[in-house]
Amino acid sequence: AQSVTQLGSHVSVSEGALVLLRCNYSSSVPPYLFWYVQYPNQGLQLLLKYTSAATLVKGINGFEAEFKKSETSFHLTKPSAHMSDAAEYFCAVIPSNTGKLIFGQGTTLQVKP
Amino acid sequence: NAGVTQTPKFQVLKTGQSMTLQCAQDMNHNSMYWYRQDPGMGLRLIYYSASEGTTDKGEVPNGYNVSRLNKREFSLRLESAAPSQTSVYFCASRQGTAGQPQHFGDGTRLSIL
Repeated sequence: AQSVTQLGSHVSVSEGALVLLRCNYSSSVPPYLFWYVQYPNQGLQLLLKYTSAATLVKGINGFEAEFKKSETSFHLTKPSAHMSDAAEYFCAVIPSNTGKLIFGQGTTLQVKP
Repeated sequence: NAGVTQTPKFQVLKTGQSMTLQCAQDMNHNSMYWYRQDPGMGLRLIYYSASEGTTDKGEVPNGYNVSRLNKREFSLRLESAAPSQTSVYFCASRQGTAGQPQHFGDGTRLSIL
């Protein structure tokens, strides 16, 4: 069965530091991949998506993610963290033969001043 | 820009009471979904509707029923609420074509005493 693993339930960085949130998926064929962000007491907002057009995907708020088929990874990065980036981040996959999203467990990003 | 609207936003129930959570989308999307979010478990799919007139079980359907009233509306019903159903419930919709992301409402925070 398809699964998504986010390494680290909590990540803490200093303001201005690199943000790296890890996501690995299990799939025999490249799926559709997404990163969502959830701010406190809000719904999920789409950050970016991979749909095979390009391996490096740019999203909103300065985030980007790189699809690496050989590593079955889709890690999320941002060069310089801002206090407003503090939120929970979810990696999700749609296996290419279904329309259903499968979510990772989520990573809470803390940004320290 | 309403997007996906969920009502109510908060609700407290007693064990055994019934409740219907409402969801409506104004994006003319074909597919709609209900998830529950619990700490450390990401989002888990309860039920989904690939198109008007169809519904299917997701990962955790027990204790829930759904109705796809029309293309816009997809409701979730708890017939006899249990404390284990205390959670945050999210509705989402999607166009239905391959690779399209889901769009989420702001959630319903449900507590069952």
